[in-house]
Amino acid sequence: GESVGLHLPTLSVQEGDNSIINCAYSNSASDYFIWYKQESGKGPQFIIDIRSNMDKRQGQRVTVLLNKTVKHLSLQIAATQPGDSAVYFCAENRGKSGGGADGLTFGKGTHLIIQP
Amino acid sequence: GAGVSQSPSNKVTEKGKDVELRCDPISGHTALYWYRQSLGQGLEFLIYFQGNSAPDKSGLPSDRFSAERTGGSVSTLTIQRTQQEDSAVYLCASKTHRGLMNTEAFFGQGTRLTVV
Repeated sequence: GESVGLHLPTLSVQEGDNSIINCAYSNSASDYFIWYKQESGKGPQFIIDIRSNMDKRQGQRVTVLLNKTVKHLSLQIAATQPGDSAVYFCAENRGKSGGGADGLTFGKGTHLIIQP
Repeated sequence: GAGVSQSPSNKVTEKGKDVELRCDPISGHTALYWYRQSLGQGLEFLIYFQGNSAPDKSGLPSDRFSAERTGGSVSTLTIQRTQQEDSAVYLCASKTHRGLMNTEAFFGQGTRLTVV
């Protein structure tokens, strides 16, 4: 079936550098996308979201870019810190509001490692 | 509490036993999701409740799995005759809706189930 996937299972960056985590989705009906951060032993934590009527959204040190033409989503983290080390998941919520019969669909995740 | 609460946090059970996992969503959230996360993997959708609508059970892996949501609040995920492959972290999430707009889901810390 349709799914959200991630390009790289592990990404290692130097502390202070910027990082970019990529995500591909296949369902053109998806209208809402979310990035989650999951630290070891914890549940996923919301980072930032974007709706399909936007192509960019910025938060504190994070930016999400959405390219609907190629069905690509990315998360940029500026000036990475040790606390950014975690697994990052993108998720899509497709179809009608409230999710309807759809749950959020997640990819396998990218493990971001911040090296000192 | 203010967040999604799951209990127990850890559960060890013998193969063949039944287990019940509990989720207390954020007060007022109409939508509730259950996911399963195997070690090092992404989130596998199990079941979705939305208000008084019939739940979306399309993600349940077998008829040994069932879930209820009483009074539109607390949910219980039941696994009957547990198997070793059921070992995973079971995550619950809840969310509300702003009119016709999707919103982010908030996750609990999960229940780590180990079947021995």
